[in-house]
Amino acid sequence: QVQLVQSGAELKEPGASVKVSCQASGHTFTFHFIHWVRQAPGQGLEYMATINPGGSFVGYAPKFQGRVTLTEDRSTKTIYMELSSLISEDTGVYYCALEIAATKKFNFWGQGTLVTVSS
Amino acid sequence: QSALTQPRSVSGSLGQSVTISCTGTSSDVGGYNYVSWYQQHPNTAPKLMIFDVSDRPSGVPDRFSGSKSGYTASLTISGLQAEDEADYYCCSYAGSYSHYVFGTGTKVTVL
Repeated sequence: QVQLVQSGAELKEPGASVKVSCQASGHTFTFHFIHWVRQAPGQGLEYMATINPGGSFVGYAPKFQGRVTLTEDRSTKTIYMELSSLISEDTGVYYCALEIAATKKFNFWGQGTLVTVSS
Repeated sequence: QSALTQPRSVSGSLGQSVTISCTGTSSDVGGYNYVSWYQQHPNTAPKLMIFDVSDRPSGVPDRFSGSKSGYTASLTISGLQAEDEADYYCCSYAGSYSHYVFGTGTKVTVL
């Protein structure tokens, strides 16, 4: 049973950074892709970035290039998404999602992490 | 990369059919057969319903079907059930620069 478990809610001030984790279980960590998608309050889904755990691929949507960094801890099967220079418009729920074997679809999703940016 | 265009809302009676459109460009929907659809109930994570334009993951009812023509993909829900009331998002692969783009989302209401 594939599971993605994300870290808890965060409250950050404008200008700060936030780091959200996504721990995978129930599948082979490598040879797949982990994506990050966010959803502002009452708004739609927005693709942010992708990492291939254990591989060499990391890709960012042009909008987030330079502000988002994805890293991994292979020993704990955990992916980290760090977003810097936070503004109020970054408030929303951040999801990680698993793509199995480069099949161009988001098979499984984490439960989401609420990030609130406010002074 | 602009979001794919979906109608804001569609509605239908129990047992009826509804179709949601998803319009993109030659750089996304028109350029690849990697269109997927996701169902999202309030305060829950999205769920994969359709992939590769028209394939269904195991466990998804066959009343959900997908198609594509040119730059527009479509999701049809036949025999509407009360539990189908949710938001639906299309998503397309958009190449090695933009990677993926989502649709604007459609709220399905079951009357």
